[in-house]
Parts: sequence; structure tokens; C-alpha cells
Amino acid sequence: NAGVIQTPRHKVTGKGQEATLWCEPISGHSAVFWYRQTIVQGLEFLTYFRNQAPIDDSGMPKERFSAQMPNQSHSTLKIQSTQPQDSAVYLCASSLSSYEQYFGPGTRLTVL
Amino acid sequence: AQSVTQPDARVTVSEGASLQLRCKYSYSATPYLFWYVQYPRQGLQLLLKYYSGDPVVQGVNSFEAEFSKSNSSFHLQKASVHWSDSAVYFCALLNTGNYKYVFGAGTRLKVIA
Repeated sequence: NAGVIQTPRHKVTGKGQEATLWCEPISGHSAVFWYRQTIVQGLEFLTYFRNQAPIDDSGMPKERFSAQMPNQSHSTLKIQSTQPQDSAVYLCASSLSSYEQYFGPGTRLTVL
Repeated sequence: AQSVTQPDARVTVSEGASLQLRCKYSYSATPYLFWYVQYPRQGLQLLLKYYSGDPVVQGVNSFEAEFSKSNSSFHLQKASVHWSDSAVYFCALLNTGNYKYVFGAGTRLKVIA
């Protein structure tokens, strides 16, 4: 079991560029969660999918952030027109039971 | 509204000493509670969980936690810490209405020789 895979591990973008982050959940897990982690805000929920369907995106900044789960094996988080305040570690987690979540190593996004 | 409070932002203990990291929660229903650990440049790893039953739960790497409904607490403990336990520890509560975690702010543990 490889665990949750996130790519890339590090991404540097210029202000105004687009960033796409990838997550491969644990095989067989039906739920995928995205979080953002910063020193100031801590761990913030962004969005989650169950059986590939979007369930709750209440944590997503509405204008520039979007997430998709086109199949069971991966989910993407896209940030358009990145801003310095988007710099953070983006964590993906998957869950089989809806209770315990298993986290990937995260993608560290730096917006210059 | 639900919340999780970890009152200690930083804790320093000597190697071999005992450890308690505090977690207080606020939730109107039966809480599902978790402790996660985050090592540098890694994601969160599940240490242990409590759903119901015996209030003392055992986790990985000799960690345990005790649930107290009367005190609304779920403190993490370890009898003898090792330098490799240095990390950030997060307490989390699962909102069983929407299946979203509520995380505490984390406690950074430093184990010194």
C-alpha cells in the first residue's frame, strides 16, 4: 500500500500563473479531502469528494480555486492566477470509512 | 459550534520523561476523536482514534490517549519519550454530520537530551 500520493512535492509559480496539484488516493478509498496548511491559519478544510462526486466545497476560495475528481484514482486542485497569499502546503487525504483520514505528504506551493 | 483546543503551542521534555499533550473539545454529539503527528516536511500520520467504549485507547509507537466526557478532553500520553518523537501533534474531532475534521492548532513537541 503506497499511501496517498501527491505530486509535485514542491511547486514554485510566479504571481498570476496557474498551479495544478495532483492527488492519488489509497486504492479503494471512496472519499478524498483537500486541506491547506499555513503557519498562521493552521489546517483549513477546502473541499471533499465521495465516490468522485463533490460533496462539500465550503472551504474553497470561490474565484480562483477549483477541484475535480474525474476518476477513482486521482483528484486535482487547480489554482488560477496564483497570489502570494496562496503559498501554503496543500494536503490531500483519503478515507475508506468516512471516519479516519489518511494524509499524503503534501505539496508545498510557493508563489513569488 | 464544534471546536478543538490545544492549549500548549510548544512543549519541551527530556528524553525518557513522560509526556502529556492536552486536547479539549466542544461538540454537542458523541465525539469521534483523533490524534495525528506531523514530522517535518511530511503529511499527518494517524496515531490513534476514539469512537466509543474503553476511554483509554492505545496507538502506535506506545502512545495512548484518554477520553473524558466530563472534562471534554482527549489528552495524549506517553510513558517515555524518545528524541524521534519530536514533531507537531494535532488533535482532531470528526463532525459526524458532515464528515469534516475540526483540527486543533497543534502542539510542537521538542525532546531534548
